[in-house]
Amino acid sequence: GAGVSQSPSNKVTEKGKDVELRCDPISGHTALYWYRQSLGQGLEFLIYFQGNSAPDKSGLPSDRFSAERTGGSVSTLTIQRTQQEDSAVYLCASSSWTRPYEQYFGPGTRLTVT
Amino acid sequence: KQEVTQIPAALSVPEGENLVLNCSFTDSAIYNLQWFRQDPGKGLTSLLLIQSSQREQTSGRLNASLDKSSGRSTLYIAASQPGDSATYLCALNLRMDSSYKLIFGSGTRLLVRP
Repeated sequence: GAGVSQSPSNKVTEKGKDVELRCDPISGHTALYWYRQSLGQGLEFLIYFQGNSAPDKSGLPSDRFSAERTGGSVSTLTIQRTQQEDSAVYLCASSSWTRPYEQYFGPGTRLTVT
Repeated sequence: KQEVTQIPAALSVPEGENLVLNCSFTDSAIYNLQWFRQDPGKGLTSLLLIQSSQREQTSGRLNASLDKSSGRSTLYIAASQPGDSATYLCALNLRMDSSYKLIFGSGTRLLVRP
């Protein structure tokens, strides 16, 4: 079946603009994760959604970052007033209820802030 | 705080060699450990998942071991091929209440020369 998809694959934006990144998880997966991979920082957890529960936002680096998940499926990560240090690859992953510890990753969105 | 270290950071070998990638972690309270492969511009592909109660997992030419007491895991690649060239990431899965969070190492960049 289809894997995790993300759009856009690449995004170039000017400093100070807002951006929205989209993630479509695997159909039926109840959990959805966002990670960020930046040079010198490795891969870091940002936010986690599980069903209708309140999301775990403990990894969001600042209040400029927010995410929502509509209808328990598609998720959007929004970065307001982008800064150059926000440049990174943003990866989304999803997992099923029966194997919640096994995450499947999308191809990522490469964000460049100029 | 859980820290994950991968050694070496980069490795270049001739085709056909057997090789070992190392991963060490500071806290043995893990749910499981995963080895991922990442190709340039692509997402993560899960290679092997070792539950905390297991000692090793094998898939084709890959073998991963886990020693929780010493905080170490190794990924063994037999008879390496140029197609194995990629970045290999070790990730610990931590159970946090009802969620699972992956903590990644910084990766080993592998180049297999024809």
